[in-house]
Amino acid sequence: DVKVTQSSRYLVKRTGEKVFLECVQDMDHENMFWYRQDPGLGLRLIYFSYDVKMKEKGDIPEGYSVSREKKERFSLILESASTNQTSMYLCASSLKLSSGRVSYEQYFGPGTRLTVT
Amino acid sequence: KNQVEQSPQSLIILEGKNCTLQCNYTVSPFSNLRWYKQDTGRGPVSLTIMTFSENTKSNGRYTATLDADTKQSSLHITASQLSDSASYICVVKGYSTLTFGKGTMLLVSP
Repeated sequence: DVKVTQSSRYLVKRTGEKVFLECVQDMDHENMFWYRQDPGLGLRLIYFSYDVKMKEKGDIPEGYSVSREKKERFSLILESASTNQTSMYLCASSLKLSSGRVSYEQYFGPGTRLTVT
Repeated sequence: KNQVEQSPQSLIILEGKNCTLQCNYTVSPFSNLRWYKQDTGRGPVSLTIMTFSENTKSNGRYTATLDADTKQSSLHITASQLSDSASYICVVKGYSTLTFGKGTMLLVSP
């Protein structure tokens, strides 16, 4: 079974703090993704990575950065947290197929509910 | 612009009843369409995937249909159970893109 784990289920941070969200997958997947999920807006892609040290911006990268130093680990960084970054953050991973970088079924982690006060 | 629209936004049904969720998309070119189920407080889990050549696919009490001509898909749930209460998300894959719908929140009431 594919397993995607996220470092925290719930996190409360203060405005201006630097926040690290960690994601680890155990199935040797090439692709990893970070999404945020907000009521009425659905899932929105922040960043994805298709290989170690490779990253691409998604739809809403502003205010975020990512790091992928190892294949199994993908970190999302909020350099200076703001209240509008209060959200559910979901990490996902998938295999990479030959037809394009965004590939087959994504396996999601349980999510981190981040509150910025 | 690629878009995926789901309806209804939310739905309440009695346990044991059937329901149908809709997904309309404008993604082009089309590669496949996947339905995810997301329980409260958990990440989405894939229910089924539909490719261009498939019209109907079942997974237990879940049956998905795809009309690639009209760019519509539906997810039919038969004999609903309390455990079906969740958000159902339609995701359409283009050549190198994934477009997510906003989901339908289903509540099955006893």
